[in-house]
Amino acid sequence: KQEVTQIPAALSVPEGENLVLNCSFTDSAIYNLQWFRQDPGKGLTSLLLIQSSQREQTSGRLNASLDKSSGRSTLYIAASQPGDSATYLCAVRRYGNNRLAFGKGNQVVVIP
Amino acid sequence: DTEVTQTPKHLVMGMTNKKSLKCEQHMGHRAMYWYKQKAKKPPELMFVYSYEKLSINESVPSRFSPECPNSSLLNLHLHALQPEDSALYLCASSQVGEWYQPQHFGDGTRLSIL
Repeated sequence: KQEVTQIPAALSVPEGENLVLNCSFTDSAIYNLQWFRQDPGKGLTSLLLIQSSQREQTSGRLNASLDKSSGRSTLYIAASQPGDSATYLCAVRRYGNNRLAFGKGNQVVVIP
Repeated sequence: DTEVTQTPKHLVMGMTNKKSLKCEQHMGHRAMYWYKQKAKKPPELMFVYSYEKLSINESVPSRFSPECPNSSLLNLHLHALQPEDSALYLCASSQVGEWYQPQHFGDGTRLSIL
């Protein structure tokens, strides 16, 4: 069974600092890993999708890396802003499987 | 703007009521999903439809009844729900078999059972 862990569960950073969010998974037989953002009471917004053959993906201030062999992904958010305050979820898609295995999320607060 | 549209956004119902949640997408996706999410927890998969056929039922109680009438539409019929069913219900869609493609989520329906 795929276990996905996100550490830390919650963090607060002052505005302007870089954010580093970690995701680890136990089974490296994955198609891809997806990072989502979720605002309170809202749906999931897809931020980045990294295929198993890729090492990283970038979109604006966001950069996600993937080390499949060690079962780790990191989401970097540069120069954080108060609008980045949200919960960030990572999810992995296993081989031959329609299911996403989610972590419990990193709850982020950026302090102005 | 989300490409997966869910209605209603909020729903309050009594335990004896019958209601339905609706999900629509026009991206040509042939896999559609229902998830349930409790506060401060990750989404939990409930059902998956593939080519309008139910392919996964994660042992969901029969008071939840999914339906996929066509390739763009997914419904979740609710009957005799319990207070513990209060949650955010999320719909998602994706391509079938193209596992490298992402899942796209709607904004959810916030369900409260009185």
